[in-house]
Amino acid sequence: EIVMTQSPATLSASPGERATLSCRASQSVSSNLAWYQQKPGQAPRLLIYDASTRATGIPARFSGSGSVTEFTLTISSLQSEDFALYYCQQYNNWPPITFGQGTRLEIK
Amino acid sequence: EEQLVESGGGLVQPGGSLRLSCAASGFIFSNYWMSWVRQAPGKGLEWVAYIQQDGGQKYYMDSVKGRFTISRDNAKNSLYLQMNSLRAEDTAVYYCARHRGSGTYYSLFDYWGQGTLVTVSS
Repeated sequence: EIVMTQSPATLSASPGERATLSCRASQSVSSNLAWYQQKPGQAPRLLIYDASTRATGIPARFSGSGSVTEFTLTISSLQSEDFALYYCQQYNNWPPITFGQGTRLEIK
Repeated sequence: EEQLVESGGGLVQPGGSLRLSCAASGFIFSNYWMSWVRQAPGKGLEWVAYIQQDGGQKYYMDSVKGRFTISRDNAKNSLYLQMNSLRAEDTAVYYCARHRGSGTYYSLFDYWGQGTLVTVSS
C-alpha cells in the first residue's frame, strides 16, 4: 500500500498570502496525484489531477507541481473561501486508492 | 449537470446490515467506473470499494472484504453498497464518487455525492 503523508497538518496564513502545501508518497506514484478541497459539511472538490492539471472551473491561483514522491499544492494569493481542508490522493498503484491525512488551512 | 445523490444511511446496531444507494444523473452512468469513499467523524478520506462499468471487476479495502458488496444497475443509473456485519469503526459519511475516466490512471474522483451518514452503535 502506498502511504501518502501531508505536511503541515495545519497551516495558518492571512488572506492575500501565498500558501504551500506538501504531499509525499512512500513510493513513486509518477504524476498520478490529485488534490481535493473540502469545506465543513461538504463533499470534497477536485482541484488538481495528474499532479499539475487544474480541474474544470478551478481558479488559476491554484497550482500543483511535483512528480515521483514529492508534490506541492500552491495557492498564490489566498482568498477567504480558500480556508479549508486539503487532501492529496494517489492513483498510480491501487488497490487501495490512498489519500493523505489532510492539511487544514486556517486564517491567521 | 452531473449529479450523485446518496441515500440509505442511518443508525444500525453492531452486526447489523445496511444498503446504501447512489442515484446518478446528468451523465452516461454506464460509461464510468465508480467508487465509494468514506470519512469517519473528524477524520480523513478513506477509499472503500470500486466497480467497473459493467460490474465485472470490483475491488475493496481490506477491512471491508467479505462484509461489503458493491454493485450497480446501469439501467437505473444507480450504484449500491451492501454493508453486512457492521462494526463501530464503519461509522462514517459514505460518499459515492465518479472516476474521472476508465482506467487505472483515471482513478481520481471528479464528482462526489453529498454523502450519507452511517452510524453503528448500540
